[in-house]
Amino acid sequence: DVKVTQSSRYLVKRTGEKVFLECVQDMDHENMFWYRQDPGLGLRLIYFSYDVKMKEKGDIPEGYSVSREKKERFSLILESASTNQTSMYLCASSPPGGGSSTEAFFGQGTRLTVV
Amino acid sequence: GQQLNQSPQSMFIQEGEDVSMNCTSSSIFNTWLWYKQDPGEGPVLLIALYKAGELTSNGRLTAQFGITRKDSFLNISASIPSDVGIYFCAGQGGTSGTYKYIFGTGTRLKVLA
Repeated sequence: DVKVTQSSRYLVKRTGEKVFLECVQDMDHENMFWYRQDPGLGLRLIYFSYDVKMKEKGDIPEGYSVSREKKERFSLILESASTNQTSMYLCASSPPGGGSSTEAFFGQGTRLTVV
Repeated sequence: GQQLNQSPQSMFIQEGEDVSMNCTSSSIFNTWLWYKQDPGEGPVLLIALYKAGELTSNGRLTAQFGITRKDSFLNISASIPSDVGIYFCAGQGGTSGTYKYIFGTGTRLKVLA
């Protein structure tokens, strides 16, 4: 079974803190994604990575950065956490586009609260 | 960002009833995916569809890839209480771009025992 594991289920951080959300996948997938999910707004793409050290901005990258030093690990960084970044964060991975399988698999989510 | 039109937004049904939901888009996709999300958890993949017209089943779930490649539906037969959750569709490839997944707004399903 594909496994995408996020390091924390719940996090509470203070405004201004630097926050790291970690995600690891075990399927040797090239693509990895970070989304945030908010009521009424659905899933919004923050950043995407299609290879080690490669990244692309998604729809809402402001206030976030990412790091992909190894293929299996994709980190989301909140440079200076703010209360409007309180949300559910979801990591996903998938094989490269154009192949026979393009299924995305999600981690269990990290519920981040910034106080 | 773009979202797919998913309907209905929510539904209350009796245990044992069949459920139907669908997703429509103005874009063409190469892949349609259906997910279920339980409260506080990440989405879990239910069914993947790769060809226009394809009909695929997974237990009590059946999904179809629309012939125009712009829509998909999901049916759940003989619903049970553990079917409760939010169901999302996702389209990938085609005019949305090779890697990008576009998600539906979700259908919240509640099953009354």
